[in-house]
Amino acid sequence: NAGVTQTPKFQVLKTGQSMTLQCAQDMNHEYMSWYRQDPGMGLRLIHYSVGAGITDQGEVPNGYNVSRSTTEDFPLRLLSAAPSQTSVYFCASRKPGVETQYFGPGTRLLVL
Amino acid sequence: DQQVKQNSPSLSVQEGRISILNCDYTNSMFDYFLWYKKYPAEGPTFLISISSIKDKNEDGRFTVFLNKSAKHLSLHIVPSQPGDSAVYFCAASGTASKLTFGTGTRLQVTL
Repeated sequence: NAGVTQTPKFQVLKTGQSMTLQCAQDMNHEYMSWYRQDPGMGLRLIHYSVGAGITDQGEVPNGYNVSRSTTEDFPLRLLSAAPSQTSVYFCASRKPGVETQYFGPGTRLLVL
Repeated sequence: DQQVKQNSPSLSVQEGRISILNCDYTNSMFDYFLWYKKYPAEGPTFLISISSIKDKNEDGRFTVFLNKSAKHLSLHIVPSQPGDSAVYFCAASGTASKLTFGTGTRLQVTL
C-alpha cells in the first residue's frame, strides 16, 4: 500500500493563478481531510469529506474548493491564489469510527 | 480561539532522560486525544492516543496521561532517544470527529 499520496511536493504560484493539489489514498478510507500548517499555528482543517459526494467546511475554508467523486481521491482547488495561502498542505484519511488519521507527505506551496 | 494549546514551543532533553510534553484544552466536549510526531519534510505520524474514559495509556516508551478536571494531557517519553527529536502535536476530537491540533512542541534530544 502506498498509503496517502500527494502531488506536487512543491509548487510556486503567482497571485491570481489557480491550481489543484492532488490527494489519493489506497486504504479504502471513507474520511478524508485537508489541513494547512503555518508557523506557530499548528495544523488547521480546511475541508473534509465523510464519503464520496459529501464534503464540508473546516476551520479555514475560504479560498479553497473541494470535491469527492471517488473514495480514493480528494483534490483541493485554489481558484485564485493569494500570498496568504503560502503554506504546507497535508491531506489525511481515516476509517469511520477510528480517530487515527494517516497523513500524506505534504505539498509546500509558495504564492508570490 | 485556540482550543488546544501547547505552551512550550520547544524542549531540550538529554538522551536517556524523561521528556514531558504538555497540552491543555478548553473544550469540554473533546473526548479523544492523540499525539502525532512530525519530522521535517514529512507528514505527521500517529504516536499514541487516549480516550476520555481513561487517565493513562502506555505504549512502550510512550505514555499519555489525561487529567480531565484540569483539561490537561501530557506525553512522557522514557528514555528519550536522539531519534525522538521531532515536532510533537497534540490533537483532540469531539462529537463531530474533527481533529483540532495544538501548535506543536519541538523536542530536541541531545547526546
